[in-house]
Amino acid sequence: ELKVEQNPLFLSMQEGKNYTIYCNYSTTSDRLYWYRQDPGKSLESLFVLLSNGAVKQEGRLMASLDTKARLSTLHITAAVHDLSATYFCAVDMTGTYKYIFGTGTRLKVLA
Amino acid sequence: NAGVMQNPRHLVRRRGQEARLRCSPMKGHSHVYWYRQLPEEGLKFMVYLQKENIIDESGMPKERFSAEFPKEGPSILRIQQVVRGDSAAYFCASSRGGGKNTEAFFGQGTRLTVV
Repeated sequence: ELKVEQNPLFLSMQEGKNYTIYCNYSTTSDRLYWYRQDPGKSLESLFVLLSNGAVKQEGRLMASLDTKARLSTLHITAAVHDLSATYFCAVDMTGTYKYIFGTGTRLKVLA
Repeated sequence: NAGVMQNPRHLVRRRGQEARLRCSPMKGHSHVYWYRQLPEEGLKFMVYLQKENIIDESGMPKERFSAEFPKEGPSILRIQQVVRGDSAAYFCASSRGGGKNTEAFFGQGTRLTVV
């Protein structure tokens, strides 16, 4: 059974600081997704990572994928308050359509 | 091109009532997925449907829950005799195809509260 684990579960950080969220998964997967969710809202797609070594950046967020280590990271650079949200990674098992979500990382950026 | 549309956005039901959640996929998408998000948790897969067919319902509770995706109209997730533990956000996603290399897009969700 595919398991997806994120850490940390909660993250409180000061504005201007850098931090990394980790997403580990237990079996082979072709693709990994990062989503942002604001309270009471839907999922906003941030990144789709399709291959080993993939790196994508958008603003202060950068995501990478290491399929050999079964690890993805979401790096936050110079955090701002607007980045406060819950971040989920999700993996779909090779050849299937199911997304398996991580537990989420609740990020709070303090002004 | 409208995204995945779900309604209602919020639904309150008393214990024992029925809840019907609707999902209209994106234009051109014929594959629909339902996920449930309990408070403070990630999304959990429930069921995958194509038009008029249930492909995978391995995540559906054995009783009281059913889903359909008729030839015409939206996909419906139906919960009979709701209990407090059914309170959650239910998200629908759709995709153009159902295999690998097919990204699914999520709707706004329906937040069900059972009182």
